[in-house]
Amino acid sequence: GDSVTQKQGQVTLSEDDFLFINCTYSTTTYPTLFWYVQYPGQGPQLLLKVTTANNKGISRGFEATYDKGTTSFHLQKASVQESDSAVYFCALVDREGGRALIFGTGTTVSVSP
Amino acid sequence: GALVYQYPRRTICKSGTSMRMECQAVGFQATSVAWYRQSPQKTFELIALSTVNSAIKYEQNFTQEKFPISHPNLSFSSMTVLNAYLEDRGLYLCGARGTGYEQYFGPGTRLTVL
Repeated sequence: GDSVTQKQGQVTLSEDDFLFINCTYSTTTYPTLFWYVQYPGQGPQLLLKVTTANNKGISRGFEATYDKGTTSFHLQKASVQESDSAVYFCALVDREGGRALIFGTGTTVSVSP
Repeated sequence: GALVYQYPRRTICKSGTSMRMECQAVGFQATSVAWYRQSPQKTFELIALSTVNSAIKYEQNFTQEKFPISHPNLSFSSMTVLNAYLEDRGLYLCGARGTGYEQYFGPGTRLTVL
């Protein structure tokens, strides 16, 4: 079945550092890809989505490129702030099946001032 | 904008009792609602997907007999946890989808079982 892999469980950074979160996916169909962010005490919030291969999604300084060749959707941000501390989830949905989102295991990002 | 409310935010029930949680979509029509349980380690388990005008599809390890779901209209869904035990603890999230592919989530209902 469809799956999403996030290898990094935890990333610890200082303000202004570069953020990179690895995400790869496996599916037999042509998915839409997402990044969600979850702050303490809240539900996941949509950060960005990309529906077309080779396209890039950009939001709030974060960006991710849908790479169909490497089946990856890595998240990057050039300069993180303390307020970016949260859990980040990569996710996909099978556009043909009308199914629910499939989430990765999440990456906790901690940014110190 | 698209908002999803869930209530209660927290609930405590005794082992063997049941509790009902609700999910309301505001600002859009929820053509489908997915219920998830999130563990303390933040991993998601999909419980079921409810799509208007279709049967509710439960994932493996989750049954209608244990987690009955109601989705009577395009703005409301509820799920009950019957005979709750320790292994049912967690944060229950509802993700509502409109006409796009993204899901909008509520803040969750945190279930504690004593």
